[in-house]
Amino acid sequence: DQQVKQNSPSLSVQEGRISILNCDYTNSMFDYFLWYKKYPAEGPTFLISISSIKDKNEDGRFTVFLNKSAKHLSLHIVPSQPGDSAVYFCAASGVYSGGGADGLTFGKGTHLIIQP
Amino acid sequence: DGGITQSPKYLFRKEGQNVTLSCEQNLNHDAMYWYRQDPGQGLRLIYYSQIVNDFQKGDIAEGYSVSREKKESFPLTVTSAQKNPTAFYLCASSMGRAGGNTQYFGPGTRLTVL
Repeated sequence: DQQVKQNSPSLSVQEGRISILNCDYTNSMFDYFLWYKKYPAEGPTFLISISSIKDKNEDGRFTVFLNKSAKHLSLHIVPSQPGDSAVYFCAASGVYSGGGADGLTFGKGTHLIIQP
Repeated sequence: DGGITQSPKYLFRKEGQNVTLSCEQNLNHDAMYWYRQDPGQGLRLIYYSQIVNDFQKGDIAEGYSVSREKKESFPLTVTSAQKNPTAFYLCASSMGRAGGNTQYFGPGTRLTVL
């Protein structure tokens, strides 16, 4: 049973336009959400995160939006650049074991392709 | 220059052999993690450790073992009991919940069982 879902395996966007990557989750215990960027055969790179007490967090070209009632978050990249072409993973963390630093639950990723 | 190192980058093993993957961090992080990634899949948690000399099983711990004798090091042993060991293995660390549990990853080790 997938607790974090990225329903679009791939997304193609023109350079300069906005890229919007979506993520849904089912577990209401999740309280911290992250986005990672990953190239093949490399480790994921942390991009941006958001706590459940917020509904928006912005860092340069990257903005993450959280809709708790819909259990949905999205990553906006504006403007999209060729170097943004990669696989993007949504991940979630929750308070399970007494507030410890538990592992993350990942979606399966969305392959973003920026077209010139 | 702080970071997480994993070695080796590529590892080949004969079926039936145990193999240990190295993970070292100099970020002074308390928590460390092991994940595996299979083609077309997200990362799945194998084991994690919130503090030295303590660790917990993740979602897919069967066939794996770990130790956490030092804060900087969290080696993963893939035993012969692991049915499908060929995968990309990723180590991560974090400050723990105090830091929001943002995890930072190493470059990964590609394990291939021949």
